[in-house]
Amino acid sequence: GAVVSQHPSRVICKSGTSVKIECRSLDFQATTMFWYRQFPKKSLMLMATSNEGSKATYEQGVEKDKFLINHASLTLSTLTVTSAHPEDSSFYICSANHPSQRDHEQYFGPGTRLTVT
Amino acid sequence: AQSVAQPEDQVNVAEGNPLTVKCTYSVSGNPYLFWYVQYPNRGLQFLLKYITGDNLVKGSYGFEAEFNKSQTSFHLKKPSALVSDSALYFCAVRASGGYQKVTFGTGTKLQVIP
Repeated sequence: GAVVSQHPSRVICKSGTSVKIECRSLDFQATTMFWYRQFPKKSLMLMATSNEGSKATYEQGVEKDKFLINHASLTLSTLTVTSAHPEDSSFYICSANHPSQRDHEQYFGPGTRLTVT
Repeated sequence: AQSVAQPEDQVNVAEGNPLTVKCTYSVSGNPYLFWYVQYPNRGLQFLLKYITGDNLVKGSYGFEAEFNKSQTSFHLKKPSALVSDSALYFCAVRASGGYQKVTFGTGTKLQVIP
């Protein structure tokens, strides 16, 4: 099956610092990855679509300078939360489509719990 | 714009009883429909999907869902609930063709009572 990993699973950082979250497709190459944010007891909010070798496409209302996305290879996308504030605390989840298109569903990482103090 | 509605924040069902988690959708063209399950502090796990073909779709862990085009619904069902089914369930939709953005519902918490 298609496996997506995230690292770290949990991170605590101080206000004003930056934190990087990695999303890897372990057994397939993903030209497109997605970054979601999930608030407690809420649905997933798509933040951006990460495209290998090109700029990410951000959803309306998402600050691209604050949430930096880099999709440097076919198996790795990173989300960097810059100058983090307590309101950035959330559960961040990435996902990827399998390139074969046989599988239409997205494969999700286990998520990263970010706490900004 | 596409959308998904899950009208129930929470569904309670006794163990052994049948369960239904409701979902209705709106999308341009033919829909691809999905159900995912999420356990606490975990990512989403795929349960089942409707792409084309039979309206009744069978998925993991004994779950099934029925695609109803006229009612634009895709309700999740299971004949006999288990306590271990207790989790958060998300319905999702995307338009067919290529890499299309997926829209998720707000989720329904399923509580199976022993």
